[in-house]
Amino acid sequence: AQSVTQLGSHVSVSEGALVLLRCNYSSSVPPYLFWYVQYPNQGLQLLLKYTSAATLVKGINGFEAEFKKSETSFHLTKPSAHMSDAAEYFCAVSGESNYQLIWGAGTKLIIKP
Amino acid sequence: EPEVTQTPSHQVTQMGQEVILRCVPISNHLYFYWYRQILGQKVEFLVSFYNNEISEKSEIFDDQFSVERPDGSNFTLKIRSTKLEDSAMYFCASSDHVGGSTDTQYFGPGTRLTVL
Repeated sequence: AQSVTQLGSHVSVSEGALVLLRCNYSSSVPPYLFWYVQYPNQGLQLLLKYTSAATLVKGINGFEAEFKKSETSFHLTKPSAHMSDAAEYFCAVSGESNYQLIWGAGTKLIIKP
Repeated sequence: EPEVTQTPSHQVTQMGQEVILRCVPISNHLYFYWYRQILGQKVEFLVSFYNNEISEKSEIFDDQFSVERPDGSNFTLKIRSTKLEDSAMYFCASSDHVGGSTDTQYFGPGTRLTVL
């Protein structure tokens, strides 16, 4: 069985500061990992995904995530937060045997001016 | 850029009524999905659909739920007799699955269903 845990339902950072959103997964098969972002009143948009190629994955809007198998983690980072990054971020995992996505609870990112 | 669309954006219904949520997936995509998110809870997988049949479904997707691709463009989720606990945001997604489960699922903006 697969599961995803996102640490922190809310994360608050100052504009220009480092963004770090944590995601840990559990999977009995090699995982495929995704980060999605949801802006207010909008759908879920893919930020980036890990599919067993490079462990450091670059996504849109300056975000990146590093797959660390030993830590079962896939944390999302951005060097410098923008006000426009305020949104909810979801980590998800899918497995080889099925296509459904298993989701974390989401982390709301708040950017302070 | 092509996108998944969903209608209506909001649906209010009385308990016991039937509702149909509509989705138009991206035109060349082959796999279609429904997920839901109850307020304050995780996004949950409901069902996936390929080649005009259900390929996977979760425990949530019981006999009250059904999906259909009535024509070449729409993908619908029907709830036969709504319950209060069906109140949620329902997301439709599609993917082309050329490569398998690594392929990106593209999501629509969701339909907020409120059951009174």
